[in-house]
Parts: sequence; structure tokens; C-alpha cells
Amino acid sequence: AQKITQTQPGMFVQEKEAVTLDCTYDTSDPSYGLFWYKQPSSGEMIFLIYQGSYDQQNATEGRYSLNFQKARKSANLVISASQLGDSAMYFCAMRWDREYGNKLVFGAGTILRVKS
Amino acid sequence: EAGVTQFPSHSVIEKGQTVTLRCDPISGHDNLYWYRRVMGKEIKFLLHFVKESKQDESGMPNNRFLAERTGGTYSTLKVQPAELEDSGVYFCASSVDRGYSPLHFGNGTRLTVT
Repeated sequence: AQKITQTQPGMFVQEKEAVTLDCTYDTSDPSYGLFWYKQPSSGEMIFLIYQGSYDQQNATEGRYSLNFQKARKSANLVISASQLGDSAMYFCAMRWDREYGNKLVFGAGTILRVKS
Repeated sequence: EAGVTQFPSHSVIEKGQTVTLRCDPISGHDNLYWYRRVMGKEIKFLLHFVKESKQDESGMPNNRFLAERTGGTYSTLKVQPAELEDSGVYFCASSVDRGYSPLHFGNGTRLTVT
């Protein structure tokens, strides 16, 4: 069964430093999409970045990049130059089975706290 | 463009009462999803609409939950009768297609059953 694992319940990072949030997944489907979402204390879910299983290059979106290691089934989120506003819950999620446009499956999340 | 909107943002009801949550997806998004996050637990899928049809309702916890999407526009999620374990944050999301386009989430409805 498909599964997403985020092993870090909480992380601290100093402002302006980079931080890596871990995500591993398990699927036998060759085609899938990996997503990261941010949930600040205000509660909304904000889409950050997407990586397709067939993408040759790691995805980047501004200060966010995805360290995609397909053989290891990991899709870690790297946030460069952390800002106080990055403090939030971060969820890794996966969709698979393009034909059926399947649902997102979420990991348990990682709480990130940025220290000034 | 307007994002996904959910109403109400908060709801406090007593056990046994009925509550109806509403979701307005992004205009033009045929795919609409409901998710729930119970306190301290993972975000769980409830169901998926494609236009007005239920594509996947495998995550609906029991028959006290009823989701509709009349006309393929907004959706409602009714809980009747509510139980204590139904408390949590209910998220609605929409996406433009069935592929790997991201889901756009609403701000959620925080439901408290007392």
C-alpha cells in the first residue's frame, strides 16, 4: 500500500539558515506525483512544490527545492535562507495512478520553528 | 482568481445535532475533495467528486456523513447526527484535472462536537 513517512515531528532552524525536511514514500506504482504543503498557524494549506516521478531534475520554486532520490524513495524539502514566516507545519503528500486521478495521501507532518 | 472557500470557518455543536459544511471550489475545477484532520492525527481523505459524481468515497467514515455536489459547483458535507469523534478540521480542495496538478485547499472548517 502507498504510504508517506515524515520522521521528524518537529524541527528548529536559525533564521537565514537552510533546513531539510525529510519525506520517504512507498509505492509500487511507477507513475506518481509528490507534493509539499505548508500549513501556518492560521490553518490554510498552501501548495509549495511538486515533483513528478519521471521528472529528471529536482523541482525548485524560489527558496524551496525538492531533493528527489527516486531509488531511495525520498523527496526531501529544502528551504534555503529560512525566514520567521516559514514557521509552520509542513506536509509531504503523494498522488499516484494518473488514470484515476487519485487522491492525495499525506504524511504526518513536520512542525518547523524558525528562531531569530 | 478566487480560491477555494469554505463556510463556516468554525462550528460548535452538541452531540446528536446536525451540521452542514459548505465548499465552493475554484471556478472551472471539476475535481473536488474533502479531507479531515482530527486533532493530532494525519490528514485523511474523505471523498472525491468529479463534477457532480462521486469518484471515490472510500474515506467516508460511516453513513452519518453525506456529501453532495449538486450541479457540479459547490459541495456540502453533512454530519448527522454528530458524534464527539467527528471533531476536527474539515478541508475542501479542488483541482483542475485528474492528473498531478496540485490540489488547492480552502482554509478549512473547524468542527467541535461537545
